[in-house]
Amino acid sequence: NAGVTQTPKFQVLKTGQSMTLQCAQDMNHNSMYWYRQDPGMGLRLIYYSASEGTTDKGEVPNGYNVSRLNKREFSLRLESAAPSQTSVYFCASRQGPEETQYFGPGTRLLVL
Amino acid sequence: EDQVTQSPEALRLQEGESSSLNCSYTVSGLRGLFWYRQDPGKGPEFLFTLYSAGEEKEKERLKATLTKKESFLHITAPKPEDSATYLCAVRGSQGNLIFGKGTKLSVKP
Repeated sequence: NAGVTQTPKFQVLKTGQSMTLQCAQDMNHNSMYWYRQDPGMGLRLIYYSASEGTTDKGEVPNGYNVSRLNKREFSLRLESAAPSQTSVYFCASRQGPEETQYFGPGTRLLVL
Repeated sequence: EDQVTQSPEALRLQEGESSSLNCSYTVSGLRGLFWYRQDPGKGPEFLFTLYSAGEEKEKERLKATLTKKESFLHITAPKPEDSATYLCAVRGSQGNLIFGKGTKLSVKP
């Protein structure tokens, strides 16, 4: 039981390049989330998926897109990376609305 | 607007020196206050959930308490391995977690 896994662990991009961050959970959770963590800003919600087939914007969605591929997987795509998207990205999941949220190990992204 | 404020930003303790971390919150209808621990280069690790004023939960040297406006994370006789950033969060209206900026705890031997 690996919990929440994320790939890659670290990535360097040039401005304008695109990439997809992958997240998978093996806990049969319904809801999945993408956060970014920046120094002095705390964790902020980018997008979330309350259940398979649904996605919604969070606090900071601009410049990102998401896909809930199936119940296990939730990907985050940067179509044209910008230096402001340099951050650490965390995926999280939970079973239901009142349940605990569990986090993955993070993806560290540097955009030059 | 739902908001979480943690203090202090950083705390340095000697091993064995007990202290408390503060989390003040503003939320319309509390549906859970959460404490997480985050080690450098790792994802947040769940510690506690508190739901109502007066509730307390303990785990090893950590004890979390909740009032109507704030939560405290008490650390009794800390050890160097307790060094980490401690995050507080409340559940927002979309079901997501709204986080404070964290308190970075350093415990020196």
